[in-house]
Amino acid sequence: NAGVTQTPKFQVLKTGQSMTLQCAQDMNHEYMSWYRQDPGMGLRLIHYSVGAGITDQGEVPNGYNVSRSTTEDFPLRLLSAAPSQTSVYFCASTGWGQNTEAFFGQGTRLTVV
Amino acid sequence: ILNVEQSPQSLHVQEGDSTNFTCSFPSSNFYALHWYRWETAKSPEALFVMTLNGDEKKKGRISATLNTKEGYSYLYIKGSQPEDSATYLCAFSSGYSTLTFGKGTMLLVSP
Repeated sequence: NAGVTQTPKFQVLKTGQSMTLQCAQDMNHEYMSWYRQDPGMGLRLIHYSVGAGITDQGEVPNGYNVSRSTTEDFPLRLLSAAPSQTSVYFCASTGWGQNTEAFFGQGTRLTVV
Repeated sequence: ILNVEQSPQSLHVQEGDSTNFTCSFPSSNFYALHWYRWETAKSPEALFVMTLNGDEKKKGRISATLNTKEGYSYLYIKGSQPEDSATYLCAFSSGYSTLTFGKGTMLLVSP
């Protein structure tokens, strides 16, 4: 039972490099989201999607792009990495219904030097 | 940006102590209130999803209450154990799409 699969687990980038964080879920969830977690801060929403072909910005979207071509996949792209994007990133998915919980991926620790 | 506040920020208790944390959230446009347990180097895992005013949920030694009219929820841990050490997150939802998280309460339980 895979749940939410997020890769890579660790990544070091140089300033200006681009990369894609992968997120896939096998629970047929419509809603997927990306969060970043920084020391002293809660989980902050970067982008989210309520279904294939639909994405929207969260609280801290600058510097990131997303797309949702299938229900299963929701990749997060860093276009030109900056040291301020050093963080731990979590992908999450949620099913329909008021009582449904979010399921999180294993997290990606990203360092931009 | 919605304001979700958690207190205390951190807590250090002895094994066997009971403890509780608070989550404050907007009292308008309430849809759901989530509690998650987050262990170091792991992913957050759901404890409770609460939707009705006056809701009370329990899972083993952990329980939670909800007051949507005044905008707060309490999480209780009875007889804390070292394995309860973790960060406890609450998250507010005003609709299906998004969760706004508090900064969490970090609990350390010493043997």
